Amino acid sequence: EIVLTQSPATLSVSPGERATLSCRASQSVSSYLAWYQQKPGQAPRLLIYGASNRATGIPARFSGSGSGTDFTLTISSLEPEDFAVYYCQQRSDWPRITFGQGTRLEI
Amino acid sequence: QVQLVESGGGVVQSGRSLRLSCAASGFTFSRNAMHWVRQAPGKGLEWVAVISVDGRDYYHADSVKGRFTISRDNSRNTLYLQMNSLRDEDTAVYYCARDPSAAANYYFDYWGQGTLVTVSS
Repeated sequence: EIVLTQSPATLSVSPGERATLSCRASQSVSSYLAWYQQKPGQAPRLLIYGASNRATGIPARFSGSGSGTDFTLTISSLEPEDFAVYYCQQRSDWPRITFGQGTRLEI
Repeated sequence: QVQLVESGGGVVQSGRSLRLSCAASGFTFSRNAMHWVRQAPGKGLEWVAVISVDGRDYYHADSVKGRFTISRDNSRNTLYLQMNSLRDEDTAVYYCARDPSAAANYYFDYWGQGTLVTVSS
């Protein structure tokens, strides 16, 4: 099973600042990585797929990068609604799909 | 707009069975692979199962293999998850999620609101 390790566990930032979230895979997943945002009491929302492709309707301040084992989600200028938990997910080893443990983005 | 509405959750004793449903609307259900993903209280996400567009191919996570079965009825635009021999560790919110592709890309572009399953011993 491919293990995804997200860091940091919690990131404290202020609105308007830049946030950088990391996801590291235990073995190469090529570019088969996605990022999701989840707010309390809500279902996750797809932000990025294929490591760097924004999903439909996702603002341009969200960007993804990386390949192989190291990936980054960057939020260029934080809006109040961006404070949430973010998960990465790999599909390289389908059907053994795995998620990271999440990064909480807080004020 | 795409809508996925789960139902069938509740409190059930360990060892018993439960069937979850997910009613889909706003898209051509028969053109997308579908998944179940769960989330234990206060925990992260765990993929559970996937089914192909015609229902002939499916996979389950090792943690539920042999106990859970995913199925679909394209005439009713509904996805199912039959859960047997339930264990305490199956307690979670269960989400149905749409795959963007007919060929199962294993990304999840739309999610339902989830249904809570609580297994009590």
